Amino acid sequence: NAGVTQTPKFQVLKTGQSMTLQCAQDMNHEYMSWYRQDPGMGLRLIHYSVGAGITDQGEVPNGYNVSRSTTEDFPLRLLSAAPSQTSVYFCASSTQGEANYGYTFGSGTRLTVV
Amino acid sequence: AQKITQTQPGMFVQEKEAVTLDCTYDTSDQSYGLFWYKQPSSGEMIFLIYQGSYDEQNATEGRYSLNFQKARKSTNLVISASQLGDSAMYFCAMRPKMDSSYKLIFGSGTRLLVRP
Repeated sequence: NAGVTQTPKFQVLKTGQSMTLQCAQDMNHEYMSWYRQDPGMGLRLIHYSVGAGITDQGEVPNGYNVSRSTTEDFPLRLLSAAPSQTSVYFCASSTQGEANYGYTFGSGTRLTVV
Repeated sequence: AQKITQTQPGMFVQEKEAVTLDCTYDTSDQSYGLFWYKQPSSGEMIFLIYQGSYDEQNATEGRYSLNFQKARKSTNLVISASQLGDSAMYFCAMRPKMDSSYKLIFGSGTRLLVRP
């Protein structure tokens, strides 16, 4: 019962470095998304995908890139890390038809950019 | 603008008592879903309960229930018989159903501490 798996759980980057946060789900969910959570705030949508080969921007997409080559995987790329990207990142997936109950979140990746 | 407001940054409740966490929302959409999530200190997001905008009855899930007042645009979470394990952050969220992004709009959360 893996659900949504995120790796790594923790990461420290230097300013300017790039990295990829991995997200995989085994529930055959069409919809996947990335959120970031900053102190004192709720989660904000970065990018989302409604199916393989289809991605779009959310509320805070700058500095991030995504692709969706398979239904299962939805990696998030930080192109050139900045201290403002220090945050906790969550991947979530859902069935597309009726997302009343199906938002399943990964356990999160805590990223620090120094 | 679509927005979720949680006005209680932190709350205390005595073990075994009931507690209400407030949430108001702002949307011009007629069709939307309302969610509550629990985030314990370990960090994961745990789905608690859902209310659809057209649901006539308040949602209930075990010790969790919603006081949904559509005209006032509020969906308060009631936790009955609080337990020590209920200590966590609680987030209210809304999904506008006509939004093709399927995004969840989150409030800033309420930190609940259950006292023994």
